[in-house]
Amino acid sequence: EVQLVESGGGLVQPGRSLRLSCATSGFKFNDHAMHWVRQGPGKGLEWVSSISWDGGDIGYGDSVKGRFTISRDNAKKSLYLEMNSLRVEDSALYYCAKGPSPMARAWFDPWGQGTLVTVSS
Amino acid sequence: QSALTQPPSASGSPGQSVTISCTGTSSDVGAYNYVSWYQQHPGKAPKLMIYEVNKRPSGVPDRFSGSKSGNTAALTVSGLQAEDEADYYCSSYAGNNNLVFGGGTKVTVL
Repeated sequence: EVQLVESGGGLVQPGRSLRLSCATSGFKFNDHAMHWVRQGPGKGLEWVSSISWDGGDIGYGDSVKGRFTISRDNAKKSLYLEMNSLRVEDSALYYCAKGPSPMARAWFDPWGQGTLVTVSS
Repeated sequence: QSALTQPPSASGSPGQSVTISCTGTSSDVGAYNYVSWYQQHPGKAPKLMIYEVNKRPSGVPDRFSGSKSGNTAALTVSGLQAEDEADYYCSSYAGNNNLVFGGGTKVTVL
């Protein structure tokens, strides 16, 4: 069974940094692209970032470009999101999701349960 | 990266059909067959319902179907059931390793 478990969320002040992790199991991690998607309180889904199987292809949503960095460690079967210069509007539930193929261009399945990030002074 | 356009709400009685549209541009929905749909119940993680415009993952009832014409994709739920009441989101590949979601549609079973 595929499992995605996010961690690292919490309360952080504006301007500070936070690193999210997604531990995976149940599939061959280095055969799949991975994604981060977030959902603000009472809001819709927003694509944050995607990374191909080898990290060679990466994409970011406009609202996080230049502030967030996605990475992966295939040996540890883990996905990461380094978030810098956090803003109040970055407050959201952050989901990790698996892609169906090595390239970061398709759909998200399955999703983890999310880790909550709250940016507030 | 503009969000895809979905109606905020849709509704139908049990047994009826409801169709949700998802309008993008020639750079996303119109350019690629990587349109997918997700169902989200309150407090739960999203679940993939349709991928590659009209393909259903194993376990998804055949009451759910997808289609695309030009820059607009659609999700149809036939034979509405109470458990279909949820939020639905479309997504599309938009080129250059970018993806985009629609704003979401709340489906109510009357």
